Amino acid sequence: DADVTQTPRNRITKTGKRIMLECSQTKGHDRMYWYRQDPGLGLRLIYYSFDVKDINKGEISDGYSVSRQAQAKFSLSLESAIPNQTALYFCATSDPGQGRGTQYFGPGTRLTVL
Amino acid sequence: RKEVEQDPGPFNVPEGATVAFNCTYSNSASQSFFWYRQDCRKEPKLLMSVYSSGNEDGRFTAQLNRASQYISLLIRDSKLSDSATYLCVVSLFEGAQKLVFGQGTRLTINP
Repeated sequence: DADVTQTPRNRITKTGKRIMLECSQTKGHDRMYWYRQDPGLGLRLIYYSFDVKDINKGEISDGYSVSRQAQAKFSLSLESAIPNQTALYFCATSDPGQGRGTQYFGPGTRLTVL
Repeated sequence: RKEVEQDPGPFNVPEGATVAFNCTYSNSASQSFFWYRQDCRKEPKLLMSVYSSGNEDGRFTAQLNRASQYISLLIRDSKLSDSATYLCVVSLFEGAQKLVFGQGTRLTINP
């Protein structure tokens, strides 16, 4: 079984709809991240959380919110989806004891907003 | 200016060739450096860390030049399975484990 899972894997929705992307991990890591990837722009950090009580904005948090329900779960919400939020979304986890650069990514969620 | 810049490619090279990628970063306070690999429609995975003294992992060699703020990756004796996008990644020491990703360089190894 995968250590970091994301649901759904693909989603098509309409402008104005509320969407939630879910991430679960069995690695036991405290740190979790949400990124989006767009062609030509690389991965950009949306939000990150270092433990259940810690939530931080990343580079592009506008239009998004997150919830850290437990150590193993970190959800990303789009309150009112818009077409330029069409992208590939990745969740990731890390453990500081394994070095500052090792992040483990989920398989991604491909979101299309019409 | 982007914080981490890479030549997006694509690079098309024959099997067995040596190929090199370059990357520059803008924040001189950057502390850690990495190469990640991303296969088509898959998630990124850590390929190797990059140390100031340079480091090698099999056919892969990574080098860092802090003075020029430049990172490189060399792949020798390339294999078909090396076809992927290579992401240059920088860690900024802000008391947090935050990574900044380059846009990636696409590599295709041809038989």
